[in-house]
This record gives sequence, C-alpha cells and structure tokens, in this order.
Amino acid sequence: DQQVKQNSPSLSVQEGRISILNCDYTNSMFDYFLWYKKYPAEGPTFLISISSIKDKNEDGRFTVFLNKSAKHLSLHIVPSQPGDSAVYFCAAMGGSQGNLIFGKGTKLSVKP
Amino acid sequence: DAGVIQSPRHEVTEMGQEVTLRCKPISGHNSLFWYRQTMMRGLELLIYFNNNVPIDDSGMPEDRFSAKMPNASFSTLKIQPSEPRDSAVYFCASSVDRGQNYGYTFGSGTRLTVV
Repeated sequence: DQQVKQNSPSLSVQEGRISILNCDYTNSMFDYFLWYKKYPAEGPTFLISISSIKDKNEDGRFTVFLNKSAKHLSLHIVPSQPGDSAVYFCAAMGGSQGNLIFGKGTKLSVKP
Repeated sequence: DAGVIQSPRHEVTEMGQEVTLRCKPISGHNSLFWYRQTMMRGLELLIYFNNNVPIDDSGMPEDRFSAKMPNASFSTLKIQPSEPRDSAVYFCASSVDRGQNYGYTFGSGTRLTVV
C-alpha cells in the first residue's frame, strides 16, 4: 500500500504561469514532509520541507502548503521557468517511519 | 564537499554474477540510506544505517541482497547472484540524523542492468 501518493504522473505548464504539484498521504503520524526535484541521470535534490505544525512554508518561488485534515500537500512554483522542468517527488517521514517514504513522482514540463 | 559519491555510475552484468555497489557519504553525516528506483515501484528504501549500524533492512528484497557499512565513510550494497529483475537505478543518500529539515543528500546513482 502506498503511504505517499502523487496521482498525476505528469504536468505541463507555460513559462511564467503557476505550477501546482499535489501529494496525498495516508499515515497521520507523518510529521515532516519534503519535496525533491530530480533531473535525468542525477540523484534527487532537496527542494523544500514543512513540519506538520505549520501549514505553509515559502522559499523564493517555491511554496509548500499542508492540509493535515485532508492529508494533502501541494508545491506551488511561481513563476514557472523552463529550468524547473524535472521530476518532483513528494516525501514524508514520522511515526514508526524513521526514513523518508517517497511518492512515485510527477514529471513537470515548463514550455517557453 | 564533493557530495555523496557512488560507484560505478553504470554496471552491466550477466545473470548470476555478483554485483557490488559502493557509496561514500558526506563527511559528518551519520545516517546512510540505500534506495532503489524502478518505473513500477518508484523510489523504495532498501536499508538504512545510523552511526554505521543497520536500523531497518525490511526493504531488502531477499537474501541475495546484503549491505555493509564498515565505517562512517563507506558502504556497500551487494547482490549475489544477480537477476534481470534487479535491473534498476540504485541511490545512496546520507543525512544528519533524521534529515527532517534539510532532507537527504543523494548520490548520482548506479544504473544496474542485469542481462
């Protein structure tokens, strides 16, 4: 059973517009959530995180929103740039999980 | 810092052969993780170490897989004998403790092909 789900395998957005990537989780004991970005032939790189005691964290063009009651988080990228084209992974940890559990990723394409 | 270093970057081997993947974590990081990425299952944890001690190996597929961390600067993942279904990208990652604030730092991965 997947504890972290990213239901959209891909997303295409025009340069300058907002990209919204979504993630759902099932384990209410998760207390930290992270987003990673991955380019081809490279390892995932950490992008932004949020603690379960917050509902929003912002870092430049990237903002993560957490809705604990819905067990849902989202990553907003504004404005989107062609260099943002990559696979984005949502990950969570907490409870009995001493390690990060990853979703399967969403491939974002930002078109010029 | 050179980051997490994995070797080799690519490995092609015949079914039944032994394969050894290597990882050098970031100096000062005390947790090390081995993940496997496949199309079907995404990124799945195989095993993780804290202070060189294996903490959770429940993700190791079967006895053909083994991992060691003899010291804080080196870890290996061994598959013996290898099978075609082991073909995947294997990532090593390291972090300070849980890594909740800054996440894990991943290596570039080893792409394993078993023919």
